[in-house]
Amino acid sequence: EPEVTQTPSHQVTQMGQEVILRCVPISNHLYFYWYRQILGQKVEFLVSFYNNEISEKSEIFDDQFSVERPDGSNFTLKIRSTKLEDSAMYFCASSGDRSSYNEQFFGPGTRLTVL
Amino acid sequence: QKEVEQDPGPLSVPEGAIVSLNCTYSNSAFQYFMWYRQYSRKGPELLMYTYSSGNKEDGRFTAQVDKSSKYISLFIRDSQPSDSATYLCAMREPQKLVFGQGTRLTINP
Repeated sequence: EPEVTQTPSHQVTQMGQEVILRCVPISNHLYFYWYRQILGQKVEFLVSFYNNEISEKSEIFDDQFSVERPDGSNFTLKIRSTKLEDSAMYFCASSGDRSSYNEQFFGPGTRLTVL
Repeated sequence: QKEVEQDPGPLSVPEGAIVSLNCTYSNSAFQYFMWYRQYSRKGPELLMYTYSSGNKEDGRFTAQVDKSSKYISLFIRDSQPSDSATYLCAMREPQKLVFGQGTRLTINP
């Protein structure tokens, strides 16, 4: 069964460093998302991406964040200068065409720890 | 008022019991309602989604939506220890999902 994959599973970084989180969405999907979950809190939307551009972003997704689909398979989230409060699980998700738009499939997540 | 509210539990029931999980919401524009299951340190897994008011059944799982009360439910029949997980309700805005806090459920053998 096709699935969303994410690498690395755990990333430890120093405050102020740049990190890139990587995702491979399900191959025929068209819509891509990043969410995050701070320990003990809700899953929160960060950004959605369609047709090679951001279609919506949350207040959390400020200038420190960027997304890219550098090739036909990968989808990345970059945090330019990490802060302690960026420590969280980051989930990538994807969904298919408009008829299956509601079915967002999530990856296993990357646990980001900022020291 | 929070957009989506869900009792975080924990909820502990014996194997075989019927489990009822619930969420309330404030945004009457929500039309699509989802239930996800999340095992510890894993990504959310889509269980089912419903459109507008009504019921939807899938095996041992039944989702109900009451838009007039802004209340959704997930029922699990004949609960199994493997159903032990955190259950998240989510509602779709045009481009994103808005999640509840999640209810941590334990099914005791």
